[in-house]
Amino acid sequence: EVQLAESGGDLVQPGGSLRLSCAASGFTVNTYWMTWVRQAPGKGLEWVADIKFDGSEKNLLDSVKGRFSIFTDDATNSLYLHMNSLRVEDTAVYFCARGYRCPESWGQGTLVTVSS
Amino acid sequence: DVQMTQAPSSLSASVGDRVTITCRASRGITNDLGWYQQKPGKAPKRLIYEADILQGGVPSRFSGSGSGTEFSLTISSLQPEDFATYYCLQYNDWPRTFGQGTKVEIK
Repeated sequence: EVQLAESGGDLVQPGGSLRLSCAASGFTVNTYWMTWVRQAPGKGLEWVADIKFDGSEKNLLDSVKGRFSIFTDDATNSLYLHMNSLRVEDTAVYFCARGYRCPESWGQGTLVTVSS
Repeated sequence: DVQMTQAPSSLSASVGDRVTITCRASRGITNDLGWYQQKPGKAPKRLIYEADILQGGVPSRFSGSGSGTEFSLTISSLQPEDFATYYCLQYNDWPRTFGQGTKVEIK
């Protein structure tokens, strides 16, 4: 059974950093594209980033380019989102998902709150 | 970016009603469109992909149609468990973009 479990969400001050993790089970992350999608409180869904199974291609939303990075680790079979220079508008629940077209499998999400 | 205009933003309906939600793309996206259902505090659940292919395990009262720029999701007979927010997603181009969502509420 495919399972995804996010962690790492926290309250952080503007300008701070955070690393989100997404532990995968039931498959290996180096065989699928993986994706991060976020949802601000009471708002809609926003595609943030995705990464090809071999790490050779990465796409990032313009508003997070230069601040966020996406990567996977075969040893931990996990997807990561490293977030720097966080802004208030980055406050959201961050979901990881398997696939880069129309993902079927999603994690339950982890909340990132950026506030002073 | 491909803009997805979803309508209506909310609707009230009764159990047994037929409900249709539409999504319009700002340019043609062939059939690279999916539909998701989301309940409060939960992850999105894929209902439809490739515009009209029903996800395994999803009830047949859900159906999708369209291609190019105009798409729709229809629930043929609304059930109590269908009250939720629905989103379309285009995956023809990057960045992937979602519609604004349609909240389906109980009348």
